[in-house]
Amino acid sequence: EPEVTQTPSHQVTQMGQEVILRCVPISNHLYFYWYRQILGQKVEFLVSFYNNEISEKSEIFDDQFSVERPDGSNFTLKIRSTKLEDSAMYFCASSVLTVADTQYFGPGTRLTVL
Amino acid sequence: GESVGLHLPTLSVQEGDNSIINCAYSNSASDYFIWYKQESGKGPQFIIDIRSNMDKRQGQRVTVLLNKTVKHLSLQIAATQPGDSAVYFCAENMGAQKLVFGQGTRLTINP
Repeated sequence: EPEVTQTPSHQVTQMGQEVILRCVPISNHLYFYWYRQILGQKVEFLVSFYNNEISEKSEIFDDQFSVERPDGSNFTLKIRSTKLEDSAMYFCASSVLTVADTQYFGPGTRLTVL
Repeated sequence: GESVGLHLPTLSVQEGDNSIINCAYSNSASDYFIWYKQESGKGPQFIIDIRSNMDKRQGQRVTVLLNKTVKHLSLQIAATQPGDSAVYFCAENMGAQKLVFGQGTRLTINP
């Protein structure tokens, strides 16, 4: 069964450093998403992406964040200058369509900012 | 506003019993609802969904009920098994390209 994959599973970085989290969405899906989950809290939407453009973003997704689809399979989330409060699980998701279509989530990357 | 919440943060049931997890939502314009299961250290796993033109949908051992009048969603799991132990999230889609998640209910299955 096709699934969303993410690398690395755990990333440790120093505050102020740049990190890139990588995702490979399900191959026939057209919409891609990033969510985050701070430990013990609910999953929060960050950004959605379609046709090489950001479709929607939350207030969390500020200028420190960016997304990219560098090739036909990868979807990345970059945090330019990490802060302590960026420590969280970051989940990538994808869906065939959008607006009331099932989003399938990857296993997540645990980001720890020291 | 955007608010999807859960009535109970934890729920313990005996193995073999049925469980019901509840969720309240605030946006009457929401038209699509999903239940996800999250096991420790893993990503949310799709369980079942329901659209606003339905009030009930059944899957394998799971049933989702939607009451639009009181903006309430529930997940029923029949004949619970140890593998059902997890945190369960409801999420809603309000016609935008994002899901709004509730806080989650931790379901524990006792042997």
